[in-house]
Amino acid sequence: SQQGEEDPQALSIQEGENATMNCSYKTSINNLQWYRQNSGRGLVHLILIRSNEREKHSGRLRVTLDTSKKSSSLLITASRAADTASYFCATSWGSNDYKLSFGAGTTVTVRA
Amino acid sequence: GAVVSQHPSWVICKSGTSVKIECRSLDFQATTMFWYRQFPKQSLMLMATSNEGSKATYEQGVEKDKFLINHASLTLSTLTVTSAHPEDSSFYICSARGGRGYTFGSGTRLTVV
Repeated sequence: SQQGEEDPQALSIQEGENATMNCSYKTSINNLQWYRQNSGRGLVHLILIRSNEREKHSGRLRVTLDTSKKSSSLLITASRAADTASYFCATSWGSNDYKLSFGAGTTVTVRA
Repeated sequence: GAVVSQHPSWVICKSGTSVKIECRSLDFQATTMFWYRQFPKQSLMLMATSNEGSKATYEQGVEKDKFLINHASLTLSTLTVTSAHPEDSSFYICSARGGRGYTFGSGTRLTVV
Protein backbone atom coordinates (compact mmCIF):
# COMPACT_ATOMS: atom_id res chain seq x y z
CA SER A 1 0.00 0.00 0.00
CA GLN A 2 1.20 3.49 -0.73
CA GLN A 3 -0.67 4.88 2.23
CA GLY A 4 1.53 7.22 4.14
CA GLU A 5 2.26 7.36 7.80
CA GLU A 6 1.88 10.59 9.68
CA ASP A 7 3.29 11.70 12.95
CA PRO A 8 2.47 12.75 15.45
CA GLN A 9 -1.02 11.27 15.62
CA ALA A 10 -2.09 14.17 17.78
CA LEU A 11 -0.67 17.55 18.63
CA SER A 12 -1.81 20.12 21.19
CA ILE A 13 -0.32 23.59 21.10
CA GLN A 14 -0.97 27.07 22.41
CA GLU A 15 -2.34 29.74 20.11
CA GLY A 16 0.54 31.57 18.47
CA GLU A 17 2.88 28.58 18.50
CA ASN A 18 3.96 26.69 15.42
CA ALA A 19 2.70 23.22 14.57
CA THR A 20 4.76 20.73 12.61
CA MET A 21 3.59 17.39 11.33
CA ASN A 22 5.29 14.84 9.15
CA CYS A 23 4.23 12.40 6.48
CA SER A 24 6.16 9.45 5.08
CA TYR A 25 5.29 7.33 2.08
CA LYS A 26 6.54 4.16 0.49
CA THR A 27 7.08 4.53 -3.25
CA SER A 28 8.02 7.25 -5.72
CA ILE A 29 5.32 9.85 -6.12
CA ASN A 30 4.13 12.35 -8.72
CA ASN A 31 3.04 14.85 -6.13
CA LEU A 32 2.00 15.18 -2.52
CA GLN A 33 -0.88 17.19 -1.17
CA TRP A 34 -1.97 18.31 2.26
CA TYR A 35 -5.59 18.57 3.31
CA ARG A 36 -7.43 19.81 6.37
CA GLN A 37 -10.55 18.24 7.78
CA ASN A 38 -12.68 19.86 10.43
CA SER A 39 -14.56 17.42 12.63
CA GLY A 40 -17.31 15.63 10.73
CA ARG A 41 -16.71 17.57 7.54
CA GLY A 42 -15.15 17.10 4.15
CA LEU A 43 -11.57 17.86 3.20
CA VAL A 44 -10.18 21.20 2.23
CA HIS A 45 -7.15 21.32 -0.03
CA LEU A 46 -4.25 23.24 1.48
CA ILE A 47 -1.25 22.86 -0.76
CA LEU A 48 0.27 20.65 -3.44
CA ILE A 49 3.97 20.04 -3.87
CA ARG A 50 5.35 18.29 -6.92
CA SER A 51 8.02 15.65 -6.80
CA ASN A 52 10.60 18.04 -8.29
CA GLU A 53 9.92 20.71 -5.68
CA ARG A 54 11.52 20.87 -2.26
CA GLU A 55 9.63 23.59 -0.49
CA LYS A 56 6.44 25.53 -0.94
CA HIS A 57 4.71 28.30 0.97
CA SER A 58 1.12 29.42 1.17
CA GLY A 59 0.29 32.05 3.75
CA ARG A 60 1.12 30.59 7.16
CA LEU A 61 1.75 27.16 5.68
CA ARG A 62 5.12 25.80 4.71
CA VAL A 63 5.53 22.39 3.12
CA THR A 64 8.77 20.57 2.48
CA LEU A 65 9.36 17.45 0.46
CA ASP A 66 12.37 15.16 0.71
CA THR A 67 12.05 12.51 -1.97
CA SER A 68 15.26 10.79 -0.87
CA LYS A 69 13.69 10.14 2.52
CA LYS A 70 10.18 9.78 1.09
CA SER A 71 8.85 12.27 3.56
CA SER A 72 7.11 15.62 3.76
CA SER A 73 6.41 18.05 6.52
CA LEU A 74 3.71 20.65 7.04
CA LEU A 75 4.43 23.64 9.23
CA ILE A 76 1.67 25.95 10.39
CA THR A 77 3.11 29.14 11.82
CA ALA A 78 1.46 31.42 14.38
CA SER A 79 -1.37 28.97 14.93
CA ARG A 80 -4.91 30.10 15.63
CA ALA A 81 -7.83 28.36 17.31
CA ALA A 82 -9.40 28.03 13.85
CA ASP A 83 -6.50 25.80 12.81
CA THR A 84 -7.86 23.08 15.10
CA ALA A 85 -8.54 20.20 12.71
CA SER A 86 -7.12 16.96 11.36
CA TYR A 87 -4.48 17.23 8.69
CA PHE A 88 -3.86 14.58 6.07
CA CYS A 89 -1.19 14.11 3.46
CA ALA A 90 -2.17 12.46 0.21
CA THR A 91 0.04 11.11 -2.53
CA SER A 92 -0.50 10.16 -6.12
CA TRP A 93 1.85 8.02 -8.09
CA GLY A 94 2.57 6.12 -11.28
CA SER A 95 0.02 5.57 -13.97
CA ASN A 96 -2.77 5.80 -11.41
CA ASP A 97 -1.84 9.37 -10.58
CA TYR A 98 -5.46 10.37 -10.46
CA LYS A 99 -5.93 8.26 -7.32
CA LEU A 100 -5.03 9.70 -3.94
CA SER A 101 -3.70 7.64 -1.08
CA PHE A 102 -4.15 9.28 2.31
CA GLY A 103 -2.01 9.17 5.38
CA ALA A 104 -3.40 8.40 8.80
CA GLY A 105 -3.69 12.06 9.73
CA THR A 106 -2.56 14.32 12.53
CA THR A 107 -5.14 15.84 14.83
CA VAL A 108 -4.12 19.34 15.86
CA THR A 109 -5.70 21.14 18.78
CA VAL A 110 -4.88 24.81 19.23
CA ARG A 111 -5.63 26.07 22.73
CA ALA A 112 -6.72 29.67 23.10
CA GLY B 1 -13.97 28.21 -6.69
CA ALA B 2 -14.87 24.60 -7.33
CA VAL B 3 -17.73 23.37 -5.18
CA VAL B 4 -18.99 19.85 -4.60
CA SER B 5 -22.33 19.36 -2.94
CA GLN B 6 -22.92 16.09 -1.12
CA HIS B 7 -26.17 15.11 0.49
CA PRO B 8 -27.61 14.10 2.70
CA SER B 9 -25.13 15.23 5.34
CA TRP B 10 -26.45 12.60 7.67
CA VAL B 11 -28.91 9.74 7.46
CA ILE B 12 -30.23 7.10 9.81
CA CYS B 13 -31.75 4.02 8.27
CA LYS B 14 -33.03 0.66 9.38
CA SER B 15 -31.02 -2.47 8.80
CA GLY B 16 -31.88 -4.06 5.47
CA THR B 17 -32.89 -0.87 3.71
CA SER B 18 -30.96 0.98 1.01
CA VAL B 19 -29.59 4.49 1.16
CA LYS B 20 -28.56 6.75 -1.71
CA ILE B 21 -25.94 9.46 -1.35
CA GLU B 22 -25.54 12.12 -4.03
CA CYS B 23 -22.44 14.01 -5.02
CA ARG B 24 -22.73 16.97 -7.39
CA SER B 25 -20.09 19.23 -8.83
CA LEU B 26 -21.84 22.58 -8.93
CA ASP B 27 -19.63 24.79 -11.05
CA PHE B 28 -17.39 22.45 -12.99
CA GLN B 29 -17.49 19.20 -14.88
CA ALA B 30 -15.92 16.32 -13.05
CA THR B 31 -14.13 13.88 -15.29
CA THR B 32 -13.73 11.49 -12.41
CA MET B 33 -15.43 11.11 -9.05
CA PHE B 34 -14.22 9.15 -6.08
CA TRP B 35 -15.96 7.65 -3.07
CA TYR B 36 -14.22 7.26 0.26
CA ARG B 37 -15.13 5.74 3.56
CA GLN B 38 -13.79 7.04 6.83
CA PHE B 39 -14.04 5.40 10.23
CA PRO B 40 -13.80 7.53 13.39
CA LYS B 41 -10.36 9.02 13.91
CA GLN B 42 -9.01 7.18 10.89
CA SER B 43 -7.92 8.03 7.40
CA LEU B 44 -9.93 8.01 4.19
CA MET B 45 -10.09 4.70 2.39
CA LEU B 46 -10.81 4.83 -1.32
CA MET B 47 -13.79 2.65 -2.17
CA ALA B 48 -14.22 3.25 -5.87
CA THR B 49 -13.48 5.50 -8.81
CA SER B 50 -16.15 6.42 -11.30
CA ASN B 51 -16.02 8.04 -14.71
CA GLU B 52 -19.06 9.47 -16.43
CA GLY B 53 -20.86 6.91 -18.52
CA SER B 54 -18.75 3.93 -17.55
CA LYS B 55 -18.74 1.36 -14.80
CA ALA B 56 -17.06 2.23 -11.55
CA THR B 57 -13.74 0.70 -10.62
CA TYR B 58 -13.81 -0.72 -7.11
CA GLU B 59 -10.87 -1.10 -4.79
CA GLN B 60 -9.95 -4.51 -3.53
CA GLY B 61 -12.24 -5.71 -0.77
CA VAL B 62 -15.13 -3.39 -1.63
CA GLU B 63 -18.33 -5.23 -2.52
CA LYS B 64 -19.67 -3.99 -5.84
CA ASP B 65 -23.16 -5.29 -5.19
CA LYS B 66 -23.39 -3.62 -1.83
CA PHE B 67 -22.02 -0.24 -2.85
CA LEU B 68 -23.62 0.68 -6.16
CA ILE B 69 -22.12 3.65 -7.92
CA ASN B 70 -23.75 5.49 -10.78
CA HIS B 71 -22.05 8.34 -12.61
CA ALA B 72 -24.78 9.41 -14.98
CA SER B 73 -23.41 12.82 -15.91
CA LEU B 74 -20.30 14.93 -15.63
CA THR B 75 -21.75 16.62 -12.58
CA LEU B 76 -23.47 13.84 -10.66
CA SER B 77 -22.40 10.60 -9.05
CA THR B 78 -24.44 8.55 -6.61
CA LEU B 79 -23.48 5.89 -4.09
CA THR B 80 -26.21 3.51 -2.99
CA VAL B 81 -25.59 1.37 0.05
CA THR B 82 -27.83 -1.61 -0.50
CA SER B 83 -29.26 -3.80 2.25
CA ALA B 84 -27.44 -1.75 4.82
CA HIS B 85 -26.22 -3.32 8.03
CA PRO B 86 -24.86 -1.73 11.20
CA GLU B 87 -21.29 -2.44 10.07
CA ASP B 88 -21.91 -0.15 7.09
CA SER B 89 -22.28 2.76 9.48
CA SER B 90 -19.53 5.19 8.61
CA PHE B 91 -18.68 8.58 7.18
CA TYR B 92 -18.75 8.58 3.37
CA ILE B 93 -17.03 11.32 1.40
CA CYS B 94 -17.05 11.97 -2.32
CA SER B 95 -14.45 13.83 -4.32
CA ALA B 96 -14.62 15.22 -7.82
CA ARG B 97 -11.64 15.72 -10.06
CA GLY B 98 -11.80 18.63 -12.48
CA GLY B 99 -9.52 21.17 -14.02
CA ARG B 100 -8.51 22.58 -10.65
CA GLY B 101 -7.64 19.32 -8.97
CA TYR B 102 -9.71 17.54 -6.36
CA THR B 103 -12.69 18.98 -4.55
CA PHE B 104 -14.33 17.12 -1.70
CA GLY B 105 -17.91 16.99 -0.60
CA SER B 106 -18.77 17.70 3.02
CA GLY B 107 -19.45 14.03 3.75
CA THR B 108 -22.42 11.90 4.77
CA ARG B 109 -22.71 10.33 8.19
CA LEU B 110 -24.58 7.04 7.76
CA THR B 111 -25.95 5.28 10.81
CA VAL B 112 -27.66 1.93 10.35
CA VAL B 113 -29.82 0.82 13.25
